[in-house]
Amino acid sequence: NAGVMQNPRHLVRRRGQEARLRCSPMKGHSHVYWYRQLPEEGLKFMVYLQKENIIDESGMPKERFSAEFPKEGPSILRIQQVVRGDSAAYFCASSPQQDSLYEQYFGPGTRLTVT
Amino acid sequence: AQSVTQLDSHVSVSEGTPVLLRCNYSSSYSPSLFWYVQHPNKGLQLLLKYTSAATLVKGINGFEAEFKKSETSFHLTKPSAHMSDAAEYFCVVTSSGGYQKVTFGIGTKLQVIP
Repeated sequence: NAGVMQNPRHLVRRRGQEARLRCSPMKGHSHVYWYRQLPEEGLKFMVYLQKENIIDESGMPKERFSAEFPKEGPSILRIQQVVRGDSAAYFCASSPQQDSLYEQYFGPGTRLTVT
Repeated sequence: AQSVTQLDSHVSVSEGTPVLLRCNYSSSYSPSLFWYVQHPNKGLQLLLKYTSAATLVKGINGFEAEFKKSETSFHLTKPSAHMSDAAEYFCVVTSSGGYQKVTFGIGTKLQVIP
């Protein structure tokens, strides 16, 4: 059973460009979470999605950031008009159910660098 | 509301000596608690979890943690540190108040000195 997959692993964008980060959850997992890790900081929750639904986006910046988890295909975190402050590691996690008993399985992360 | 406090941002131990990484939590609901480890430039790996069964939880690589409700603590320990334990460790609390709300601690960087 393949783990959570994220691609690309490294992404370099110039200021003003768009960044698209992909996350394929573990097989059988229908819950996806996105986190951002800034240098020297812990993980900050961004958004929680189920298939075709955004459940909680309270951690997502109001502008330029969006996320989706379509019926088919990976979850996408999209950052429009990137700025230097968006440079960070973005981690995706998945879990099989909406239940605190189930740990989240993390992907290897996408490291975004904005130049 | 819930929160996690990792009391030490950096811990340094000598190889072969015990490790103690401290974590305190607060939660309005019955929490589940986890410890994750992150090696440099890697993703997070689950070390162990507490989900209201036994209060002493054993994890991978010789780590264990004890859930103490009276102290609202979930400290991570290992009897003897190995060089490969050098990493960052995150204490995590989740609670099922509505849905699985997850809160991470800021992390503790463990340095192991040869």
